[in-house]
Amino acid sequence: EPEVTQTPSHQVTQMGQEVILRCVPISNHLYFYWYRQILGQKVEFLVSFYNNEISEKSEIFDDQFSVERPDGSNFTLKIRSTKLEDSAMYFCASKGEIQPQHFGDGTRLSIL
Amino acid sequence: TQLLEQSPQFLSIQEGENLTVYCNSSSVFSSLQWYRQEPGEGPVLLVTVVTGGEVKKLKRLTFQFGDARKDSSLHITAAQPGDTGLYLCALNNTNAGKSTFGDGTTLTVKP
Repeated sequence: EPEVTQTPSHQVTQMGQEVILRCVPISNHLYFYWYRQILGQKVEFLVSFYNNEISEKSEIFDDQFSVERPDGSNFTLKIRSTKLEDSAMYFCASKGEIQPQHFGDGTRLSIL
Repeated sequence: TQLLEQSPQFLSIQEGENLTVYCNSSSVFSSLQWYRQEPGEGPVLLVTVVTGGEVKKLKRLTFQFGDARKDSSLHITAAQPGDTGLYLCALNNTNAGKSTFGDGTTLTVKP
C-alpha cells in the first residue's frame, strides 16, 4: 500500500538555526498538509497546499514557516529561525480527490 | 471555532472486555475520521464516516455516526493488547480542508 514518507525521522537543531523537513506524499495525491504535535498535546493543523499554493494556514504558521513543492514529488516545510517551542513531531499528510488524508510517521524536531 | 471533544481521556481495561469511546463536536461536520496512533508514529486511518446514522464495522471495531452528524462513537469488542494506542477522531468541514483533531483517548488493554 502506498504511503507518505518523511525524512529525517529525528532532527536535532540549535535554536535560531533553519531546518527543512521533507515529505514524499503518495504519488497521485493532490492535496498536501503539515501538522504538528507537541509532546502530550493534540495534533494541530499548520498548513494545506494545493495546486502549488497555500490554500489554508493556521495562526501557528507565521512568517518563520514556509512550504514548498520544489519538484513533482517532494513537499517541504522550512522553519527559518527555530525557537525552543518549535520542538514537536511534525506530520505530513496527503490526500487524493476523494480519499481521506494519509499521514506519514513524522519527524521529531528537537530544538536545543 | 469548532470544538471536538473525546471521552474518556484514558481507559485501561483487561483483555476480552468491550469498550466504547466517544467523539463530540460543537457543530455539524461533513465527515469524520477515526485514527489510531502509536508512540513515535503518525496517525493511521481506521475509517471515515459521512452519513448521519451510518455504522461501519472493521473486524472487532464498530464505528457509528450520530443522526445529527455532531457525534461519533467507536466500540471495540473483546479488546486485545494489540488494540492499545491513542484513538483520535478528526473532522473535516470540506473535502480538501484541514483535519481538526480531538485530544484522543489513550487505551491500554492489559493481558
